[in-house]
Amino acid sequence: RKEVEQDPGPFNVPEGATVAFNCTYSNSASQSFFWYRQDCRKEPKLLMSVYSSGNEDGRFTAQLNRASQYISLLIRDSKLSDSATYLCVVNGRGGSNYKLTFGKGTLLTVNP
Amino acid sequence: NAGVTQTPKFQVLKTGQSMTLQCAQDMNHNSMYWYRQDPGMGLRLIYYSASEGTTDKGEVPNGYNVSRLNKREFSLRLESAAPSQTSVYFCASSEFGPQETQYFGPGTRLLVL
Repeated sequence: RKEVEQDPGPFNVPEGATVAFNCTYSNSASQSFFWYRQDCRKEPKLLMSVYSSGNEDGRFTAQLNRASQYISLLIRDSKLSDSATYLCVVNGRGGSNYKLTFGKGTLLTVNP
Repeated sequence: NAGVTQTPKFQVLKTGQSMTLQCAQDMNHNSMYWYRQDPGMGLRLIYYSASEGTTDKGEVPNGYNVSRLNKREFSLRLESAAPSQTSVYFCASSEFGPQETQYFGPGTRLLVL
């Protein structure tokens, strides 16, 4: 299994749709999990951290399943402004807390 | 409050030339990072500095050196640029470590001919 693997995408959805992204990670010792968002030719920005109990921020819901080493991001009522690449990020390679591993990203395009 | 700033924004080098990428943050963060982003590869950590005075190698350190000049500034140097170093370079910082939010600079687009 690759260290962090995401849905290859791209995802093209209409406004108002619900879309879900999945991510798996290989290091069972990983402790921190995040979703970042990256707009075209821009820097990544934190969308949300992912907690064991799951967490929600408005239209966005993140879930973590440690047993399956699986992270998900659900976007409800998609907006045009949600169009971006979504990066799954996991910390801890080789026991180092400083080595974040980024997934390759999933491109989302929300269409009018 | 500018966050994380990087200079230059764009650079073209010839093989063998050297250059330094500059990064500064004004958030009083302890940890700083350098990443490179290549198509189809995702972001990869080059070097990091857990705190002022310390630096450590990341996943892809070969061909690079870094200096944590002070708490604010973390520079990345290419001593002898190679075409394989053509990439987008991002600097980032976080308050105490990667378990916290990382704030990224706008990136430097480097082309090595």
